[in-house]
Amino acid sequence: DAKTTQPPSMDCAEGRAANLPCNHSTISGNEYVYWYRQIHSQGPQYIIHGLKNNETNEMASLIITEDRKSSTLILPHATLRDTAVYYCIVRKPGANSKLTFGKGITLSVRP
Amino acid sequence: GAVVSQHPSWVICKSGTSVKIECRSLDFQATTMFWYRQFPKQSLMLMATSNEGSKATYEQGVEKDKFLINHASLTLSTLTVTSAHPEDSSFYICSANPYSGHGREQYFGPGTRLTVT
Repeated sequence: DAKTTQPPSMDCAEGRAANLPCNHSTISGNEYVYWYRQIHSQGPQYIIHGLKNNETNEMASLIITEDRKSSTLILPHATLRDTAVYYCIVRKPGANSKLTFGKGITLSVRP
Repeated sequence: GAVVSQHPSWVICKSGTSVKIECRSLDFQATTMFWYRQFPKQSLMLMATSNEGSKATYEQGVEKDKFLINHASLTLSTLTVTSAHPEDSSFYICSANPYSGHGREQYFGPGTRLTVT
């Protein structure tokens, strides 16, 4: 599976949008971009995923560049509860396909 | 969203004993489940892929005789840590796919914290 690169940390103010970048320059044509987050001492939580089109759900938006080499996760109105480690992962389709977790980016939302 | 549970949520055992951790998909069937391990301040590391009715596939470096995985039904997978040692103390997390096919997300359990004394 393709590797991803994320900055180690970032912070944002509560109520503002948090834009989390991810590079995946070696992504293959059939690999999806997934985002998960992990709040301290809990299991990871699924946020969103996409193939090439931008996606939006109740939690976040995912913007994928046209060449698919990078993406941005947008939390439109960050709250203190959004403080977590966010993982950007590329994954092949299929039930047996693995999720390979990198180091992720630690988002700190400040009051 | 789909719910995955784990039991127990935490366990303390003595060195040399065995511990069984259960992973259940509560509102869906899962032909495939995954087991991860996470040490403090580190990322999740995949240990094995568990397929219902067949042998698990272990990642390189994971001892299959030490970490026994059984996926006896479409809603239950178990991980048994045999002859546990203090270095096995970790946070164990399972996940499951509710569907097969393209682009389906995995859902994770809340994790089990194992402490071996």
